[in-house]
Amino acid sequence: DSGVTQTPKHLITATGQRVTLRCSPRSGDLSVYWYQQSLDQGLQFLIQYYNGEERAKGNILERFSAQQFPDLHSELNLSSLELGDSALYFCASSVGWVGIGQINYGYTFGSGTRLTVV
Amino acid sequence: DAKTTQPPSMDCAEGRAANLPCNHSTISGNEYVYWYRQIHSQGPQYIIHGLKNNETNEMASLIITEDRKSSTLILPHATLRDTAVYYCIVRGLDDKIIFGKGTRLHILP
Repeated sequence: DSGVTQTPKHLITATGQRVTLRCSPRSGDLSVYWYQQSLDQGLQFLIQYYNGEERAKGNILERFSAQQFPDLHSELNLSSLELGDSALYFCASSVGWVGIGQINYGYTFGSGTRLTVV
Repeated sequence: DAKTTQPPSMDCAEGRAANLPCNHSTISGNEYVYWYRQIHSQGPQYIIHGLKNNETNEMASLIITEDRKSSTLILPHATLRDTAVYYCIVRGLDDKIIFGKGTRLHILP
């Protein structure tokens, strides 16, 4: 158990639908990062939050959005789902971000949510 | 895009040292080298990181060349459980960890 909790573990939904993936970071971690891993794209960085604020954006589609709540858990919302959105979605957390000198800490990843769009 | 280059796959005999190379020729002075591995479809696992000095922990050793343009991850006594995809990553001040394609390491019995 890495300490990063992702729910649900598996999700099957139809095209056009909307889903929410949830991530609880490791105790004490303020930063949350979301990644998408599909077979042909590898691990793609989507977005980062630090203490409730968006810090960095990667290849996140406009149909996707995320937020981090005051209790530090984060949710990734995926809407108007397409077949190509089927993937593993990982959440990671860390103590902080380099702006406050936390670069020496690595990320801890959760076990992921496997999303299947049919 | 990832700032590192790794061989797509490598084999290593069980019990031998596995040496995984990584090129990061465009690394800048304030960027760290991180190594992660991913076993099957599990979440990536942190292994080790370094700036300029060689580092060792209970999992592995990291050797960084003096010019910092390349590094080698060493698993001293590889076991079948070390079969995984190994990612070498350059982490900079923007705090993003961008994964490349990694090296698929096969441990042979």
